Amino acid sequence: KAGVTQTPRYLIKTRGQQVTLSCSPISGHRSVSWYQQTPGQGLQFLFEYFSETQRNKGNFPGRFSGRQFSNSRSEMNVSTLELGDSALYLCASSLGTETTREQYFGPGTRLTVT
Amino acid sequence: AQTVTQSQPEMSVQEAETVTLSCTYDTSESDYYLFWYKQPPSRQMILVIRQEAYKQQNATENRFSVNFQKAAKSFSLKISDSQLGDAAMYFCAYRSAYGTGTASKLTFGTGTRLQVTL
Repeated sequence: KAGVTQTPRYLIKTRGQQVTLSCSPISGHRSVSWYQQTPGQGLQFLFEYFSETQRNKGNFPGRFSGRQFSNSRSEMNVSTLELGDSALYLCASSLGTETTREQYFGPGTRLTVT
Repeated sequence: AQTVTQSQPEMSVQEAETVTLSCTYDTSESDYYLFWYKQPPSRQMILVIRQEAYKQQNATENRFSVNFQKAAKSFSLKISDSQLGDAAMYFCAYRSAYGTGTASKLTFGTGTRLQVTL
């Protein structure tokens, strides 16, 4: 079974621009979570989507948004990029059921904002 | 809110030896899950082992085992017969067992970088 895939793997953007990252979960998984990893703040939860609905959201400004499609693929968008948004963005998928929600991570998208 | 603390930023172990990574957490919940994830230089987060809080028996996965002390809120990872491929960042993580929304969130510690030497 194919793992979680994220595209693109690397991205360089300029301050003020916007960016969209994509995540394709493991086949059959209906839940997708996003995390931001930086040297200063570590791993922080952004949000989770299940069946096209945002189920949980972390403490990030409104510039960070996401969505999930009917095939469970998810995108996250960051508008008006700031230097501090430079990070590794990790996506994780899980079945989404109550008892089997072990999360499997993708390889991440490395975003650099200049 | 839950917090996870890893007090060892770096650890070193010789090949074939045993090393223990520490993790403590703070929560008011009685039911939850604890995890150890490994992040090698490739940055891919890999699940190493999981522990359900309601289970008293410590989880074991091949060379990896945990020492789960619920009352002390401690969750350490023991790696036996260390191999060069074990070199990575190791993250301890907490997940609530309650609800459907908030329960999905993983709260991570700051990580421990493990070096394996010959």
